[in-house]
Amino acid sequence: QQQVKQSPQSLIVQKGGIPIINCAYENTAFDYFPWYQQFPGKGPALLIAIRPDVSEKKEGRFTISFNKSAKQFSLHIMDSQPGDSATYFCAASPFFGSSNTGKLIFGQGTTLQVKP
Amino acid sequence: NAGVMQNPRHLVRRRGQEARLRCSPMKGHSHVYWYRQLPEEGLKFMVYLQKENIIDESGMPKERFSAEFPKEGPSILRIQQVVRGDSAAYFCASSRRQDNGYTFGSGTRLTVV
Repeated sequence: QQQVKQSPQSLIVQKGGIPIINCAYENTAFDYFPWYQQFPGKGPALLIAIRPDVSEKKEGRFTISFNKSAKQFSLHIMDSQPGDSATYFCAASPFFGSSNTGKLIFGQGTTLQVKP
Repeated sequence: NAGVMQNPRHLVRRRGQEARLRCSPMKGHSHVYWYRQLPEEGLKFMVYLQKENIIDESGMPKERFSAEFPKEGPSILRIQQVVRGDSAAYFCASSRRQDNGYTFGSGTRLTVV
């Protein structure tokens, strides 16, 4: 119930391609879904986040698509660049209510390589 | 604003020694979270602290691990009698209030030899 399952484990695309990373969850109490980007030797950095009252959110070249009924959400990177090569983590948490302690449940991560 | 500062960046300990990891939150942040990242895995929540209080330690191993966030000074994650399985990257994050929009530090990489 507390798991977030992420796929694929690794992904290679050409520059300009649109990598898509998928996540699925079970706990219906989750209502905050962020994506983090992590470069080697660095801490995760918040990229974009969504709450289930919308089905899509865009920030620059990054888009989250959210399917509440399927309990799935995905990250799309438009016009991907070699500088986007990093590990991407999805996460989930209850955002409001007494059960929220700010704890995030992370997926296993996707290593993305964008070839020039 | 220097961000979340963790030190040391790298720590090597022999089996049975103690490891002490420090985290200074961003200025104005009074909420601190610790996560552990094993090789090729995602981050696992360990503990959530506010000043002088442990709020949620549901992810902390029952033995050898402890955390504190004193009124003055950094938050400390202490691992006693380290074993090889404790080798991991330990990340600290801080926030101004109790929500999910927090900032991570660059982590401490612990290696137990």
